[in-house]
Amino acid sequence: EPEVTQTPSHQVTQMGQEVILRCVPISNHLYFYWYRQILGQKVEFLVSFYNNEISEKSEIFDDQFSVERPDGSNFTLKIRSTKLEDSAMYFCASSKGQGVGEQFFGPGTRLTVL
Amino acid sequence: AQKITQTQPGMFVQEKEAVTLDCTYDTSDPSYGLFWYKQPSSGEMIFLIYQGSYDQQNATEGRYSLNFQKARKSANLVISASQLGDSAMYFCAMREVGFGNEKLTFGTGTRLTIIP
Repeated sequence: EPEVTQTPSHQVTQMGQEVILRCVPISNHLYFYWYRQILGQKVEFLVSFYNNEISEKSEIFDDQFSVERPDGSNFTLKIRSTKLEDSAMYFCASSKGQGVGEQFFGPGTRLTVL
Repeated sequence: AQKITQTQPGMFVQEKEAVTLDCTYDTSDPSYGLFWYKQPSSGEMIFLIYQGSYDQQNATEGRYSLNFQKARKSANLVISASQLGDSAMYFCAMREVGFGNEKLTFGTGTRLTIIP
């Protein structure tokens, strides 16, 4: 069964460093998302990506964040200068769109900023 | 305003009993979808069940069923014959369909603990 994959599973970084979180969505999906979950809290939407551009972003997704689909398979989230409060689990998700069916989540990347 | 409300932060249920996890939602959009995800301690988000706003029947997937009451804007998850492996966080989520974006809005979750 096709699945969303994410790498790395755990990333530890120093405050102020740049990190890139990688995702491979399901191949025939059209919509891509990043969500984050601070430990013990609910899952929050960060950004959605459709037709090679950002379709919506939340207030969390400020200028420190960017997303890219550099080729036909990868979908990346970059945090330019990490802060302590960026420590969270980051989930990538994808869906076929058009209001059809579920949104498939990857296993997550746990980001720890020291 | 909260779009998804889960009022039970934690529940303890005896093994083999049925359990209902509450979820209410708020939207003015006539077309939307409701989801339940399970998050075990390992952290991944596991899709359980989906209900579309126009679906006439309540969704069922094995031991999971969704008690969809549209007029009351509730979408409770029912787990029948609970098992120890059901112990996890459970999140209700809503998708409001929009062009180019079908983001999910999540509730705060319910931590379910199954007691042997």
